[in-house]
Amino acid sequence: DGGITQSPKYLFRKEGQNVTLSCEQNLNHDAMYWYRQDPGQGLRLIYYSQIVNDFQKGDIAEGYSVSREKKESFPLTVTSAQKNPTAFYLCASTRHNTGELFFGEGSRLTVL
Amino acid sequence: DQQVKQNSPSLSVQEGRISILNCDYTNSMFDYFLWYKKYPAEGPTFLISISSIKDKNEDGRFTVFLNKSAKHLSLHIVPSQPGDSAVYFCAASDRGSRLTFGEGTQLTVNP
Repeated sequence: DGGITQSPKYLFRKEGQNVTLSCEQNLNHDAMYWYRQDPGQGLRLIYYSQIVNDFQKGDIAEGYSVSREKKESFPLTVTSAQKNPTAFYLCASTRHNTGELFFGEGSRLTVL
Repeated sequence: DQQVKQNSPSLSVQEGRISILNCDYTNSMFDYFLWYKKYPAEGPTFLISISSIKDKNEDGRFTVFLNKSAKHLSLHIVPSQPGDSAVYFCAASDRGSRLTFGEGTQLTVNP
């Protein structure tokens, strides 16, 4: 079945460690996105990529990095520079730049 | 600068009644609006959308209304069902740019 797969679903990290969240899609979508959800703040855009080997910063990119080496994959690294990394992270994709986004199930990161 | 705002963090309605979720925006360049539904620990799923050339779009129990002059849109759910209990996000885009989301409204439908 076509869809977006995020892993891991739950992740614990010690302060000072980098962690990478995986996002894979088999929908043949061109654009992929990473959002962060915090209580009462909705979904905030971290990074997005409209084409392979190209990506742009979103509204809250500091402390994060991404790569887009393959159309299907858009991993997000939460670095030790991210001041408040505990959150629910959502990956999404779409065939066009806008319109209906398809979301993964999310990854919950907790920093101990 | 919150360009899309959902001022009600929560809404509670009785089963069978109408649920009305509201959303306001400030960017007059937004031309496409969407509603997403989200259950806990899951990703949001697309519900319904509307283009700025329309003022109403209907899909089964769900209707979205757009008032461009007031920069306001609303989602009506009739009749409301317990399974509709979820967080609802409105989102907007400007001529093909990325989506901007509101803060979300938690809808609870009581049996």
